[in-house]
Amino acid sequence: QQQVKQSPQSLIVQKGGIPIINCAYENTAFDYFPWYQQFPGKGPALLIAIRPDVSEKKEGRFTISFNKSAKQFSLHIMDSQPGDSATYFCAAESQGGSEKLVFGKGTKLTVNP
Amino acid sequence: DTGVSQDPRHKITKRGQNVTFRCDPISEHNRLYWYRQTLGQGPEFLTYFQNEAQLEKSRLLSDRFSAERPKGSFSTLEIQRTEQGDSAMYLCASSLWWEQPQHFGDGTRLSIL
Repeated sequence: QQQVKQSPQSLIVQKGGIPIINCAYENTAFDYFPWYQQFPGKGPALLIAIRPDVSEKKEGRFTISFNKSAKQFSLHIMDSQPGDSATYFCAAESQGGSEKLVFGKGTKLTVNP
Repeated sequence: DTGVSQDPRHKITKRGQNVTFRCDPISEHNRLYWYRQTLGQGPEFLTYFQNEAQLEKSRLLSDRFSAERPKGSFSTLEIQRTEQGDSAMYLCASSLWWEQPQHFGDGTRLSIL
């Protein structure tokens, strides 16, 4: 049972484009939703995170949009750069519960120059 | 302050051998997590510690796996009688306290011959 579904599996955009990665969850106990960026041979690095009491959060070029009723959230990368080429993972956690992260399967983003 | 440190970075071993990995969390982080990541997948939770207490273990953690955090600082993950299916990246993460972000190390890649 996949608790966090992520799409698309891969994404190719031109420099300056705005890639959008979507995630959906089922467990209503989830109350913390981080996004991680992973480069080959490296561990996941925390990018940005959101809690369900807000519908949007922006940090630099990265924005999370959150729809609690639809149980969906998405990552937007503004003015994407070739250096953003990486695999992006959404995750969900029930803080106050087990606090383990449940990850999506990842999206491999390629930003062409 | 350095990030989460994992050793070794790569481990190649023959099937049936025992292996041990070490994780040094960020200084003063009380919580330490182990995850496993296979190619093309997101990390999957294995177990976590709060200080020296192991609070939860995933069903993925068979009897051949054991983790310790004896003094509430570094942790070790041991796999006994390794099998082909154990080939994966083993990631360690730490967080300052509950409801705090998890920060990952760069992992130990295990290859079983």
